[in-house]
Amino acid sequence: QVQLVESGGGVVQPGRSLRLSCAASGFTFSSYAMHWVRQAPGKGLEWVAVIWYDGSNKYYTDSVKGRFTISRDNSKNTLYLQMNSLRAEDTAVYYCARDGMTTVTAYYFDCWGQGTLVTVSS
Amino acid sequence: DIQMTQSPSSLSASVGDRVTITCRASQGISRYLNWYQQKPGKAPKLLIYAASTLQSGVPSRFSGSGSGTDFTLTISSLQPEDFATYYCQQSYSTPRTFGQGTKVEVK
Repeated sequence: QVQLVESGGGVVQPGRSLRLSCAASGFTFSSYAMHWVRQAPGKGLEWVAVIWYDGSNKYYTDSVKGRFTISRDNSKNTLYLQMNSLRAEDTAVYYCARDGMTTVTAYYFDCWGQGTLVTVSS
Repeated sequence: DIQMTQSPSSLSASVGDRVTITCRASQGISRYLNWYQQKPGKAPKLLIYAASTLQSGVPSRFSGSGSGTDFTLTISSLQPEDFATYYCQQSYSTPRTFGQGTKVEVK
């Protein structure tokens, strides 16, 4: 079955870096765009970034542009989110999510990981 | 950015009730509207995409309608497992934004 497993979350000081990973299984990872979506404690959902199925395009929400980098390794079925210059407002559960269509990017999310908590605090 | 506004923010209902949640976009988004269900401590689950297409495995008591700026999620007969928070999300333009959520609680 389709499975997405995030890892790499934790407590980090403001200004520091963290890299999240998302291991995919049960589907042809290289055929799907992948997204990161976050949820601050007690708050709603916020789309963070997308990477095309082949890695050719990447887009970000404005608040993370220049600080976060999404990437993927299709040979390892793994999605990444490199987060630099972290701020308190980046504190959230980070979910990786599969796009709803193959080889085109539909920007809806049909499978989600369980999430990994990132806490930015001194 | 396109703003998505859901109403109500919360509602109380009983098992068997018909429940309707509304989502309004700040500009026209055609039918690029999706609905998710989230239970406490869990990841969201896709219910409906493209305004009215039921995701595989989702019970038929869930339905979606609308186009342009106004959309509706309807639960025809609320079941115990449907008590959750529901989010709409537009997939029309970047950034792909969500509504603030509607919490469906036990009456």
